[in-house]
Amino acid sequence: DSGVTQTPKHLITATGQRVTLRCSPRSGDLSVYWYQQSLDQGLQFLIQYYNGEERAKGNILERFSAQQFPDLHSELNLSSLELGDSALYFCASSVEAGELFFGEGSRLTVL
Amino acid sequence: GEDVEQSLFLSVREGDSSVINCTYTDSSSTYLYWYKQEPGAGLQLLTYIFSNMDMKQDQRLTVLLNKKDKHLSLRIADTQTGDSAIYFCAEILSGGYNKLIFGAGTRLAVHP
Repeated sequence: DSGVTQTPKHLITATGQRVTLRCSPRSGDLSVYWYQQSLDQGLQFLIQYYNGEERAKGNILERFSAQQFPDLHSELNLSSLELGDSALYFCASSVEAGELFFGEGSRLTVL
Repeated sequence: GEDVEQSLFLSVREGDSSVINCTYTDSSSTYLYWYKQEPGAGLQLLTYIFSNMDMKQDQRLTVLLNKKDKHLSLRIADTQTGDSAIYFCAEILSGGYNKLIFGAGTRLAVHP
């Protein structure tokens, strides 16, 4: 158990819809990262937050947004969903930059 | 670019050594990492090496770093069926706020 909790574990929705993925980091970790894992793109860095502020941005689409709340949990919002958005979305938290602790992921299926 | 490259598949016999290779892009990366992803789970940090080292050994794991060629390898001695997983190489890109960039992952299959 990494200490990082992600909900929901599985989500099935239709194209054009919007979903929110939630992440609770390990106790005491201020940094939260979001990654997307798909078969054809591998593990793609989306965005990082540190203590409520956006710190680094990767290949995150404009249809996607994220935030980190004062209690340090984070949400990733995906809107106008397309078939290609089907993937496993991981949240990770850390104290130090390279030693990330990953949640078990949220598997999104867009039909 | 920000590409970390790995071969996608490796198949080994139980008891043999496995060598997983990776090339990275940022010569100023201070740390390089190996993560392991077991089926249905998130990634777990396996080991890491500081950029001023050539080799790091941790029980059955040996990490070799060739900074000149920007090549990193992970050797697993006496590979077991429980080692079957996807192994990701990762580097921290410097400049501004650090971010961890992963390779596509190497799927290791261990067969009897």
